Amino acid sequence: AQSVSQHNHHVILSEAASLELGCNYSYGGTVNLFWYVQYPGQHLQLLLKYFSGDPLVKGIKGFEAEFIKSKFSFNLRKPSVQWSDTAEYFCAVNVRTDSWGKLQFGAGTQVVVTP
Amino acid sequence: DAGVTQSPTHLIKTRGQQVTLRCSPKSGHDTVSWYQQALGQGPQFIFQYYEEEERQRGNFPDRFSGHQFPNYSSELNVNALLLGDSALYLCASSTSPSGRGPHTDTQYFGPGTRLTVL
Repeated sequence: AQSVSQHNHHVILSEAASLELGCNYSYGGTVNLFWYVQYPGQHLQLLLKYFSGDPLVKGIKGFEAEFIKSKFSFNLRKPSVQWSDTAEYFCAVNVRTDSWGKLQFGAGTQVVVTP
Repeated sequence: DAGVTQSPTHLIKTRGQQVTLRCSPKSGHDTVSWYQQALGQGPQFIFQYYEEEERQRGNFPDRFSGHQFPNYSSELNVNALLLGDSALYLCASSTSPSGRGPHTDTQYFGPGTRLTVL
């Protein structure tokens, strides 16, 4: 069965610092990859997604992610975080051959940005 | 454009009771998926409905059942509640999976229903 691993459960950093969140998945076939964000008191929102093409994907709010197929990774990055980036971040995968698109999520990374 | 809506927002039940949660998909979407998010964990897939039929199911017992209505809205029912059923229940909607060929659609999530079982 496929699985998704997020390396850090909690990250604390200062405003203007750079952020990188790791995500690895275990599945040998073709996958679609997603990063979702859950701000305090709000619902899960899509940050960015990768289906095919350029492995460097740009999302909303200055976030980007790079798909490295050989490493089964889809790491999320932001060059300079703001206090408003405090949230929980989830990596998710679905299998391209699964026509119904069931999402498999990682456990999430809680990011706290201090002023 | 209305997003995914869920009701109720919060619910408190006791062990052994039954609960029904409701979801209305985003405008233009006809597929609904349900997820359970326990505290400190990522969402876990429960099942997915399309054309009023359960199309795919995760590793959840038969106590979890659902329904989809002709207007694409959906219900999640949980019978014989256990303490471990306490969680945030999320509904996600998307456009038609074909059941054929690769799936490339995005799921949009509602705010969730927080269920507490005492």
